[in-house]
Amino acid sequence: QLQLQESGPGLVKPSETLSLTCSVSGGSVSSRSYYWGWIRQPPGKGLEWIGTFSYAGSTYYNPSLKSRVTISVDTSKNQFSLKLSSVTAADTAVYYCGRTAYRSSLWDYWGQGTLVTVSS
Amino acid sequence: QSVLTQPSSASGTPGQRVTISCSGSSSNIGSNAVNWYQQLPGTAPKLLIYTNDQRPSGVPDRFSASKSGTSASLAISGLQSEDEADYYCAAWDDSLNGPVFGGGTKLTVL
Repeated sequence: QLQLQESGPGLVKPSETLSLTCSVSGGSVSSRSYYWGWIRQPPGKGLEWIGTFSYAGSTYYNPSLKSRVTISVDTSKNQFSLKLSSVTAADTAVYYCGRTAYRSSLWDYWGQGTLVTVSS
Repeated sequence: QSVLTQPSSASGTPGQRVTISCSGSSSNIGSNAVNWYQQLPGTAPKLLIYTNDQRPSGVPDRFSASKSGTSASLAISGLQSEDEADYYCAAWDDSLNGPVFGGGTKLTVL
């Protein structure tokens, strides 16, 4: 059974960089059949796509965040990471990692989510 | 402001049938499959319906969905208290080149 688990600091200061890692078990991030990525949910609000990548090489970012986002993969640890720079309070959210497919809104596996608060 | 439009709330009594609508445009629902997610309080979203009207294994057949043109809808029949959750529609958007979500509908079982 595929499982994903987010980890990282729960508190980040304004203007700093938010860094999260998603650890994958029961499957491989280097699978060429799937895409992996991040979605966030501000408290009390809806879901917002951040970005998606495939080990085959394609990476897609939400245009509204693209200038600040980097998603990378570490196949040796079966993990992938999110970096969001120059954060503000508007970036406070629960961040989810998940598995998806090429050009798809179907996310079939999700991590439990991790709350990141941006505050000084 | 979400790209896909859903009612913010819906309600029903146990045993009733409720429907939740999702409206989009030609660049998302009009040209791509719709997926629905159920988010129970304090948990991650769970895939409820995929590819417009398909149920993943383990999802009761009380849940059904359809798509027509640039709109989609989710129906829940035989409403149960455990159905109380937030429901989100989603579709790939060709203009954004990424997935877009509805704002979510909070379902209350009275």
